[in-house]
Amino acid sequence: DVKVTQSSRYLVKRTGEKVFLECVQDMDHENMFWYRQDPGLGLRLIYFSYDVKMKEKGDIPEGYSVSREKKERFSLILESASTNQTSMYLCASSLVQLNEKLFFGSGTQLSVL
Amino acid sequence: AQSVTQLDSHVSVSEGTPVLLRCNYSSSYSPSLFWYVQHPNKGLQLLLKYTSAATLVKGINGFEAEFKKSETSFHLTKPSAHMSDAAEYFCVVSDPPGGSYIPTFGRGTSLIVHP
Repeated sequence: DVKVTQSSRYLVKRTGEKVFLECVQDMDHENMFWYRQDPGLGLRLIYFSYDVKMKEKGDIPEGYSVSREKKERFSLILESASTNQTSMYLCASSLVQLNEKLFFGSGTQLSVL
Repeated sequence: AQSVTQLDSHVSVSEGTPVLLRCNYSSSYSPSLFWYVQHPNKGLQLLLKYTSAATLVKGINGFEAEFKKSETSFHLTKPSAHMSDAAEYFCVVSDPPGGSYIPTFGRGTSLIVHP
């Protein structure tokens, strides 16, 4: 089975800190995604990557950046964390073929105080 | 641009009664459509997907969905609810290349199942 691993289940950070969220997948998937999930808003796409060193903005990229130096790893960076970035962050991966299903990690609940 | 609307934020049913979760989509293409389920404190899991084959799609755990192009709908149904079906359900649309092929999620429907 495909495994998508997010480095932390819970994270507490201070306002202004630089935060790194790591995601690793073990099935050689080309596509990787970062979503944030907030109650009543569903999942909103922050960034996605379709290849190493390639990235594209999603619907809500402000305040975030990403890095994909290796195919299996996709990192989300909060340059200067703010309280409105308190959320559940979900990483997903999929094959490059059209409309393959997404495989999700278990999520990181980030609290910014 | 593609979009998806889940018409109910909460649906409450009694165990053993039918389930209907409604989803409407907007797309300039012939999209692929998905339903995902998220149980409390668990990861998201694919229930079923439609990719222009049969319009009635069967998924896991007795769920199915019907693609109706004329109504731009992809409603999720189950004949008889079980307590274990209580979860958050997400409808997802994905355009083919030429459109925005990135999966777009609806806001979710919380299914509550009463004994």
